[in-house]
Amino acid sequence: NAGVTQTPKFQVLKTGQSMTLQCAQDMNHNSMYWYRQDPGMGLRLIYYSASEGTTDKGEVPNGYNVSRLNKREFSLRLESAAPSQTSVYFCASSALLVGRGYEQYFGPGTRLTVT
Amino acid sequence: QKEVEQNSGPLSVPEGAIASLNCTYSDRVSQSFFWYRQYSGKSPELIMSIYSNGDKEDGRFTAQLNKASQYVSLLIRDSQPSDSATYLCAVGTSGTYKYIFGTGTRLKVLA
Repeated sequence: NAGVTQTPKFQVLKTGQSMTLQCAQDMNHNSMYWYRQDPGMGLRLIYYSASEGTTDKGEVPNGYNVSRLNKREFSLRLESAAPSQTSVYFCASSALLVGRGYEQYFGPGTRLTVT
Repeated sequence: QKEVEQNSGPLSVPEGAIASLNCTYSDRVSQSFFWYRQYSGKSPELIMSIYSNGDKEDGRFTAQLNKASQYVSLLIRDSQPSDSATYLCAVGTSGTYKYIFGTGTRLKVLA
């Protein structure tokens, strides 16, 4: 049981390049999330998918797109990378646990630098 | 006004002491509350969740929730140097899948 996995772990892009961050979970969770974490800003939600086939914008969606490929996989795409997108990106997943709410579990993160 | 607020720290405590971490939130209809631990360069790890007023204990960790005062706290008893990390508070609203995270409190346990 690997939990939440993310690829790649590190990436350096030039301004204007595109890339897709991959995320997969093997916990049979319905909901998946993409966050970015910047110093002093905490975790900010980019997009989330409440269930397979649905996606919604979070707090900071501009410059990103997502695809919920199936129940296991949720990808984040940067179409034209900008230096402001230099950050650490975390994917998370959750399921409703009776009496416990939606507990989110995080992947190891992708450290992205845009030059 | 930030929706979830935490003192950024660092909070320094000696080994063996009780570390007390606090979090306040602004949305009165919040229903679920979580504490995550994040080591430097690592991802957040869920350590406690609490949903009703009062205390919830798990090993050396105790979460305390007071909905009337809109705060949630985490106590770490017998603090160890390995507890040195940033602790993130997260708050969820009933019926939604989303959390709001605080910016975290950095804890340093001094040997």
